[in-house]
Amino acid sequence: GESVGLHLPTLSVQEGDNSIINCAYSNSASDYFIWYKQESGKGPQFIIDIRSNMDKRQGQRVTVLLNKTVKHLSLQIAATQPGDSAVYFCAERGNQGGKLIFGQGTELSVKP
Amino acid sequence: KAGVTQTPRYLIKTRGQQVTLSCSPISGHRSVSWYQQTPGQGLQFLFEYFSETQRNKGNFPGRFSGRQFSNSRSEMNVSTLELGDSALYLCASSPGPSFYEQYFGPGTRLTVT
Repeated sequence: GESVGLHLPTLSVQEGDNSIINCAYSNSASDYFIWYKQESGKGPQFIIDIRSNMDKRQGQRVTVLLNKTVKHLSLQIAATQPGDSAVYFCAERGNQGGKLIFGQGTELSVKP
Repeated sequence: KAGVTQTPRYLIKTRGQQVTLSCSPISGHRSVSWYQQTPGQGLQFLFEYFSETQRNKGNFPGRFSGRQFSNSRSEMNVSTLELGDSALYLCASSPGPSFYEQYFGPGTRLTVT
């Protein structure tokens, strides 16, 4: 069946360093991917998205990379700040736009 | 622009009861999706509505239902509550269908005792 999984459940980085959060997906027909950030007690916050016809997309301090050959998605956060501490989820839209499937999440901890 | 709002924010119900949760999307957004979030299962898709029509449905029993009104506001209903229905229920809205640029609300924390 379709699934989205994360390589690392927790990630600890030093303030100012760059962070890379990884995500693997199994459905090669997925055509749209989203990264969300969820802080404790809040709903997921949209960070950045990418369509399958792109390899890379940049936002403010964030970059999403899509490697369709190995079905891998990554979120890069530049100059990580304490406010970036949260759980990060990747999500894929299944083929034909059926539903959005979320990964289990990676907890990012930023040490000052 | 105001974000997605959900009411109530917290709810305690007894097993066997039914519950209705409400979601108001971002102004101008016509699509609303619902998700259940639990520590064990993570975020799971419940259903998606666009222009008052259910477009997609996740793998949940028929006790879970929803609807969307002409002003794009949405409600979801859970009947015959079970202990396992305790979760954070999240609503998300997007301008159009298929989850593009989908934004979440703060969620409704449902506890079933």
